[in-house]
Amino acid sequence: AQSVAQPEDQVNVAEGNPLTVKCTYSVSGNPYLFWYVQYPNRGLQFLLKYITGDNLVKGSYGFEAEFNKSQTSFHLKKPSALVSDSALYFCAVRRSSGTYKYIFGTGTRLKVLA
Amino acid sequence: NAGVTQTPKFQVLKTGQSMTLQCAQDMNHEYMSWYRQDPGMGLRLIHYSVGAGITDQGEVPNGYNVSRSTTEDFPLRLLSAAPSQTSVYFCASSYKDRAPNYGYTFGSGTRLTVV
Repeated sequence: AQSVAQPEDQVNVAEGNPLTVKCTYSVSGNPYLFWYVQYPNRGLQFLLKYITGDNLVKGSYGFEAEFNKSQTSFHLKKPSALVSDSALYFCAVRRSSGTYKYIFGTGTRLKVLA
Repeated sequence: NAGVTQTPKFQVLKTGQSMTLQCAQDMNHEYMSWYRQDPGMGLRLIHYSVGAGITDQGEVPNGYNVSRSTTEDFPLRLLSAAPSQTSVYFCASSYKDRAPNYGYTFGSGTRLTVV
């Protein structure tokens, strides 16, 4: 079975500081991994994905994520946080074959303090 | 604008009533799905479809029905609404074979309250 864990309900960071939002996953076979962001009263927006290749992937708005197969993690990072990055962030996983089902984590609320 | 359109945006139902949440996409995506979002529980998959005429259950299918008669439309039916179905519902779509490269496109959601 597929599963995703986001261990932190909320992450607080000061503006200008680096941020990390954690995600670990469990899936049989090779994973496809995603990050999405949700602003208040909006649908989810795609940020970035890992399919194969370089373990460090870059996405929208200056975000990046590092795939670590041995630790089954896919943490979201940004070198310098902005107040406008404050939102709800979701990690998602899909198996690379056999199903098209995406499983989402419970979400992490990021609060960037001015 | 191309995208996923959900209607209605808000709905209040009485317990036992039925209704259909509409979802339409104009991107020729094969894959469509419905999620519900509840505080502390993230997004949970209700039903999904990999093409017209093909549907399957997700994690929380009870109390919901779907059908996929066209590529564009994927309505979600609540058969007999219950307060436990109070939630925000999202429809999402993607290409099937190219899905990993494009990710999901989400609708803006339907906020449903069952009283």
